[in-house]
Amino acid sequence: AQSVTQLGSHVSVSEGALVLLRCNYSSSVPPYLFWYVQYPNQGLQLLLKYTSAATLVKGINGFEAEFKKSETSFHLTKPSAHMSDAAEYFCAVSDRTSGTYKYIFGTGTRLKVLA
Amino acid sequence: ETGVTQTPRHLVMGMTNKKSLKCEQHLGHNAMYWYKQSAKKPLELMFVYNFKEQTENNSVPSRFSPECPNSSHLFLHLHTLQPEDSALYLCASSQEGTGAGTEAFFGQGTRLTVV
Repeated sequence: AQSVTQLGSHVSVSEGALVLLRCNYSSSVPPYLFWYVQYPNQGLQLLLKYTSAATLVKGINGFEAEFKKSETSFHLTKPSAHMSDAAEYFCAVSDRTSGTYKYIFGTGTRLKVLA
Repeated sequence: ETGVTQTPRHLVMGMTNKKSLKCEQHLGHNAMYWYKQSAKKPLELMFVYNFKEQTENNSVPSRFSPECPNSSHLFLHLHTLQPEDSALYLCASSQEGTGAGTEAFFGQGTRLTVV
C-alpha cells in the first residue's frame, strides 16, 4: 500500500520567511501526490497536485512543490510566508485497491507564522 | 450550491441517541468518501462508495452505518456511540474513471461530540 510521511508536526516561521513543509512518499508505482490545507473547523482545500506532467508544480496562494523521485519527496514551499498561511497542511497520495481510488493522508503539519 | 455540503456542522449526541450525518455533492462525481479526523491522529478513511456501491469499509465499528442512495448523497447513520467517537467527520467526493491524478473535494465537516 502507498503511504506518505510528513516530517515535523509543527513548523514555525517568521512572516516573510521561506516556508518548507516536508513530505516523503512510499510507492512501488509512480505516485499521484497532493497537498491540502485545512483552516480551523474547516474541510480540506487542495493546494496543488502532482500527476507526472511536470516535476515542479505550482498551486494556489503562492505555494509550489517539487517531485523528486531520487529522494521520494514532494516538499511544499512558499518563498514568503503570510500571516494568513497559518493552518494545517496535509500531504496525500492516491491509492487504488478494490477498484476505487482512495486518498491516504499524512499526519499533517501545523504551520505557525510569527509576526 | 456548489461543491460538497455537509449537515449539520455541529452535533452533540448522547451515547444512546440515533442521529445521521448528511453529505451532498453538486460536482457530478461518482465516488464519495467518509473520513474521521480526531485530535492528534491522522485522517482515517472510513468508507468509500463508487457509483453507489460500497467498495471499502476500513474496519469501521457497526455503530457507524453508511448509506449511499445515489451518487450525489451520502449519509452516516450513528447509534450507540462512545465518547471516543467524538471527532470531525469529513465527506469527500471525486470523479472515478479519470485517473489517479484526480483530487478529492471535501466538505466542511461535521463536528461531532458524544456525551
